[in-house]
Amino acid sequence: GAVVSQHPSRVICKSGTSVKIECRSLDFQATTMFWYRQFPKQSLMLMATSNEGSKATYEQGVEKDKFLINHASLTLSTLTVTSAHPEDSSFYICSASKPGQGYYEQYFGPGTRLTVT
Amino acid sequence: GDSVTQMEGPVTLSEEAFLTINCTYTATGYPSLFWYVQYPGEGLQLLLKATKADDKGSNKGFEATYRKETTSFHLEKGSVQVSDSAVYFCALEMDSSYKLIFGSGTRLLVRP
Repeated sequence: GAVVSQHPSRVICKSGTSVKIECRSLDFQATTMFWYRQFPKQSLMLMATSNEGSKATYEQGVEKDKFLINHASLTLSTLTVTSAHPEDSSFYICSASKPGQGYYEQYFGPGTRLTVT
Repeated sequence: GDSVTQMEGPVTLSEEAFLTINCTYTATGYPSLFWYVQYPGEGLQLLLKATKADDKGSNKGFEATYRKETTSFHLEKGSVQVSDSAVYFCALEMDSSYKLIFGSGTRLLVRP
């Protein structure tokens, strides 16, 4: 199998605080991990791509200082939303790809719902 | 820019009914096309794919044909089951660029 987990599944935080979301590949080593954001009734939007041991590549319009991504190992990537504001409330989804497979063969986590009050 | 448009849901069907979920795309080149499915509480899973015009992707009774002339990739299944209830996402990838562009998703609810 190829299972990706996310933690937490839901988080509520106060405006101005930071929150960290973890993404783990449970049964394979992921050379590349992706972070998406999904607004209600809208499509998933790629935020950034991270490779183990190197800096993340952010999509245009995504603030890299606000959304800190760390791909510390082949099985773990973290997304930290810094100084969160209500407009950061969203559904965040990560995915991972296996070495040697096409990038479309991404294995997705179940998502994390962030609510900033 | 490149984009994917899906029919809005929810789509509600009775068991054994025929399913069509429409998907059209806009792309400057020749994308690969995909359908992903998300079951309740789980992550998206690749359902099927087609990499060039006239290709037909199929899996678990679902089919979709890459129609370049109509820029479409409609998902079909001849007889749906309650277990098919999920959210279905159409997506494209341009020229092995790794970037997946998703549609907004269509929720399917199949009633017994």
